[in-house]
Amino acid sequence: DAKTTQPPSMDCAEGRAANLPCNHSTISGNEYVYWYRQIHSQGPQYIIHGLKNNETNEMASLIITEDRKSSTLILPHATLRDTAVYYCIVRAHRGGSNYKLTFGKGTLLTVNP
Amino acid sequence: EAQVTQNPRYLITVTGKKLTVTCSQNMNHEYMSWYRQDPGLGLRQIYYSMNVEVTDKGDVPEGYKVSRKEKRNFPLILESPSPNQTSLYFCASSSGLAGFQETQYFGPGTRLLVL
Repeated sequence: DAKTTQPPSMDCAEGRAANLPCNHSTISGNEYVYWYRQIHSQGPQYIIHGLKNNETNEMASLIITEDRKSSTLILPHATLRDTAVYYCIVRAHRGGSNYKLTFGKGTLLTVNP
Repeated sequence: EAQVTQNPRYLITVTGKKLTVTCSQNMNHEYMSWYRQDPGLGLRQIYYSMNVEVTDKGDVPEGYKVSRKEKRNFPLILESPSPNQTSLYFCASSSGLAGFQETQYFGPGTRLLVL
């Protein structure tokens, strides 16, 4: 699975958009970009994933560059409850095998009032 | 509500006293897995199960056992706990359906202290 690089921490004002970058320059053509987050000591929570196209769901938007070497997770209107560590994970879908997730250090997003 | 539950949420025990942490999911997921999380080491997989009666070791299986007798349950067993197993434990599950395998649902965590 491709390695990812994320800034260790970011700040965002409440109500503003939070843009979290992820670099995955060695990504392969069959690898997806996944985002999870972990609010302090709670279980990680799935946010969104994508392959090539930009994706949006009720939680966030995922923008993947055309060359797929980087992506940005966007929380459109951050709230205090969005303060968490955000993990960008890249991996291929492998049917019938261990679906282990490899979490890096992630980005600690702090949403300030 | 779709969820993964773990019990107990907090546990303090002594070295050598067998314990079981239960994990249950109500989503009819085939895949289940256990992770431990330690400061500076991130989440590491202990064991996983692709389906009933199918289990395999993850990255750090030493000192742990699991079983998968029913689809919904995947207990983690520590036969003789030691202080280095003090950690935060998470159970996770996934449907295993093509394209959705990587979308995993995590339990709330079990914080274990072994004295």
